Amino acid sequence: GAGVSQSPSNKVTEKGKDVELRCDPISGHTALYWYRQSLGQGLEFLIYFQGNSAPDKSGLPSDRFSAERTGGSVSTLTIQRTQQEDSAVYLCASSLARSDTQYFGPGTRLTVL
Amino acid sequence: DQQVKQNSPSLSVQEGRISILNCDYTNSMFDYFLWYKKYPAEGPTFLISISSIKDKNEDGRFTVFLNKSAKHLSLHIVPSQPGDSAVYFCAARRTSYDKVIFGPGTSLSVIP
Repeated sequence: GAGVSQSPSNKVTEKGKDVELRCDPISGHTALYWYRQSLGQGLEFLIYFQGNSAPDKSGLPSDRFSAERTGGSVSTLTIQRTQQEDSAVYLCASSLARSDTQYFGPGTRLTVL
Repeated sequence: DQQVKQNSPSLSVQEGRISILNCDYTNSMFDYFLWYKKYPAEGPTFLISISSIKDKNEDGRFTVFLNKSAKHLSLHIVPSQPGDSAVYFCAARRTSYDKVIFGPGTSLSVIP
């Protein structure tokens, strides 16, 4: 069956530009997560969605980061005025419910020049 | 402050031998632990988990051991195979409804 998909797979942008990263979760999964993996670091939690609402956005590093989820499905992570320190692999995961196993997408590698 | 630590960034093991990946945690409230495996250019995939009420969980070649008093867990892979070469992430959470905290990962290389 279809897994979690993310697009684009790679994104190179210039400092100061805005970027949008997309996540298509597994159909029927109500929980959706965004993580970030910087070079040499673990997976850093960014935000969790239950349906279309985000009860936990404690990991968003600054107000330049925002995310939304529509129709209980697709989610978009937006980074405004990108900085070089935003360069990382952004991973999306989904699960049936919060307590269930998370299934990850392949990630989007963001490079900010 | 890193709550889940994997102090070995990398590990090399001969094919057929045992691989032991270690993980330490600082939060005594963690009650569920997971291991994920990640190949390059792919997302992590769930491998095995253990609840704090157990001290061992086995699934085929993979066994996870939990020592709560030491706040330490380990993943044993026996026998190791070249296809096991990947980055292994240890993860933990406090309750079913809390976020999962991941460690920095250990890169395992299994040499044929």
